[in-house]
Amino acid sequence: DTAVSQTPKYLVTQMGNDKSIKCEQNLGHDTMYWYKQDSKKFLKIMFSYNNKELIINETVPNRFSPKSPDKAHLNLHINSLELGDSAVYFCASSQGRTGAHEQFFGPGTRLTVL
Amino acid sequence: AQSVAQPEDQVNVAEGNPLTVKCTYSVSGNPYLFWYVQYPNRGLQFLLKYITGDNLVKGSYGFEAEFNKSQTSFHLKKPSALVSDSALYFCAVIGGTSYGKLTFGQGTILTVHP
Repeated sequence: DTAVSQTPKYLVTQMGNDKSIKCEQNLGHDTMYWYKQDSKKFLKIMFSYNNKELIINETVPNRFSPKSPDKAHLNLHINSLELGDSAVYFCASSQGRTGAHEQFFGPGTRLTVL
Repeated sequence: AQSVAQPEDQVNVAEGNPLTVKCTYSVSGNPYLFWYVQYPNRGLQFLLKYITGDNLVKGSYGFEAEFNKSQTSFHLKKPSALVSDSALYFCAVIGGTSYGKLTFGQGTILTVHP
């Protein structure tokens, strides 16, 4: 069974389009995250939700909007895609909001904006 | 602000030799420290963590790390490297009040030669 799954795995789209990435975890965790990994492999947190409440909202363009319909799902919608949005986006989950528990990562979604 | 430094972009070691991947950190308050590994085209996998207690922590695949508060370091070690250990390794930290906001180092590519 996949613990943290993301769809799609690859996403190729044109500048200006709107796209969504979906994430689901079956670990029973109450906290979920979105990370961006750039071409130099640098990882940066974007958002975090705990029990559907937004608890981390980093300096991210407001074209990016997370949505958590329930604590097992966290989606990422991106409006008006730009070339600089090309990256690998990882979803992760953990138990609790303090950070003492390890995070489990999904396989990533490679977004390419042409 | 919290930060992590991995001073070596790349570490090369012969199979069977001990390996060390270095990490230093800066946080306010007590740190939660983590090591993750990323294989090509995969998500991150948790290796080990230090939250409190014994400074030497043991993790998956024979890896261990030592928390050194005075040197603000958390170096990853393994007594005998395997070719299959070759991957990208990330050190990460959460400060005591950062509520799950994991800050990653830039990553170290470990290459184990046969």
